[in-house]
Amino acid sequence: GIQVEQSPPDLILQEGANSTLRCNFSDSVNNLQWFHQNPWGQLINLFYIPSGTKQNGRLSATTVATERYSLLYISSSQTTDSGVYFCAVSDYGGSQGNLIFGKGTKLSVKP
Amino acid sequence: NAGVTQTPKFQVLKTGQSMTLQCAQDMNHEYMSWYRQDPGMGLRLIHYSVGAGITDQGEVPNGYNVSRSTTEDFPLRLLSAAPSQTSVYFCASSYDSSPYNEQFFGPGTRLTVL
Repeated sequence: GIQVEQSPPDLILQEGANSTLRCNFSDSVNNLQWFHQNPWGQLINLFYIPSGTKQNGRLSATTVATERYSLLYISSSQTTDSGVYFCAVSDYGGSQGNLIFGKGTKLSVKP
Repeated sequence: NAGVTQTPKFQVLKTGQSMTLQCAQDMNHEYMSWYRQDPGMGLRLIHYSVGAGITDQGEVPNGYNVSRSTTEDFPLRLLSAAPSQTSVYFCASSYDSSPYNEQFFGPGTRLTVL
């Protein structure tokens, strides 16, 4: 099956710094989503981005489907950005919307 | 519009006990699914449903049963809980079963089996 790898596994930032999180996938995908899991465990949809670029405030994401990767950019990080960021994809060969998750990037933003 | 709701938020069981985790959505979504999340891991698919009356197995279905009698509800049953089922459980839904759809997740149920 399709493999999803995220890097780095852990990231520590000072408040105000910028960061880039990466998601590599091993096969073509027709669905890619980025989620933020906050310290209370809630999963929050950030982007639905199977291709192209989207921006939402300080966050933006780019997926280059032909090269099988996606990037999540966080600018001017805040302590509330702390948590785990997951990339999840749906297999292009699959007929169902079953998401395959990476293991996540744990982000800690220090004041 | 409450989105995807799950109850309970927390549960402690003894080995061998049974229970049902509830999941409901009010978005008229056809596709619903259950995932479990273990420490340091991403989410793994347990079961899913593409519509009322239709369910299928995901990656880790053993020890769990599901049914889908209505569009809104998709309960997950543990018939005989085991410590290996200690995990956080998430329910998700999307408009239909197409893999192109954005998925929305509930707040999760944290289950501990002693």
